[in-house]
Amino acid sequence: DAGITQSPRHKVTETGTPVTLRCHQTENHRYMYWYRQDPGHGLRLIHYSYGVKDTDKGEVSDGYSVSRSKTEDFLLTLESATSSQTSVYFCAISASGARNEQFFGPGTRLTVL
Amino acid sequence: SQQGEEDPQALSIQEGENATMNCSYKTSINNLQWYRQNSGRGLVHLILIRSNEREKHSGRLRVTLDTSKKSSSLLITASRAADTASYFCATDASNSGGSNYKLTFGKGTLLTVNP
Repeated sequence: DAGITQSPRHKVTETGTPVTLRCHQTENHRYMYWYRQDPGHGLRLIHYSYGVKDTDKGEVSDGYSVSRSKTEDFLLTLESATSSQTSVYFCAISASGARNEQFFGPGTRLTVL
Repeated sequence: SQQGEEDPQALSIQEGENATMNCSYKTSINNLQWYRQNSGRGLVHLILIRSNEREKHSGRLRVTLDTSKKSSSLLITASRAADTASYFCATDASNSGGSNYKLTFGKGTLLTVNP
């Protein structure tokens, strides 16, 4: 596996609480991505980063924010979690954006009660 | 909205048979990629085919791309039980104004290979 980890791997939280998911890479790749995966919807892009402090919105960014203060870490924050944000979250990295392959982390299963 | 759409949604075959999955997309692309996901795991890249290529092979995998029909197919030959997984196509967008950062994934085909 590529050097990419996600933490936590599982989390249960209550509606209205803030949640932060962390993606950490040891590959020094420029691009990092956060996706969510839900039955019937496949994989959808939440936010992505094309460099330190450079981020942009994806397809389903409402209710999420991100930060990238250093190359190796990309944080996804749910400011006030809702039940609709119950999902499996995947982080991915890439050396050259969409021009070549992305490497995926193991995923974080988040349940919002 | 999804750029790529896989067909069929689910496919069940016997070990040793070939499996074919299709992907259709809507806008011009620079490349198309196929990924595999085993249950409960992250996606794993299988193969990338560029818009100027028509066919590509990797082991038991064969990918074709028809840009005039905006479609691609993934063929797995001599399938094994270990090939049981979901398969996704992903496309970039060549009309992204110079930035080429994002992939758009389809919903996937669930392949079951029975021993």
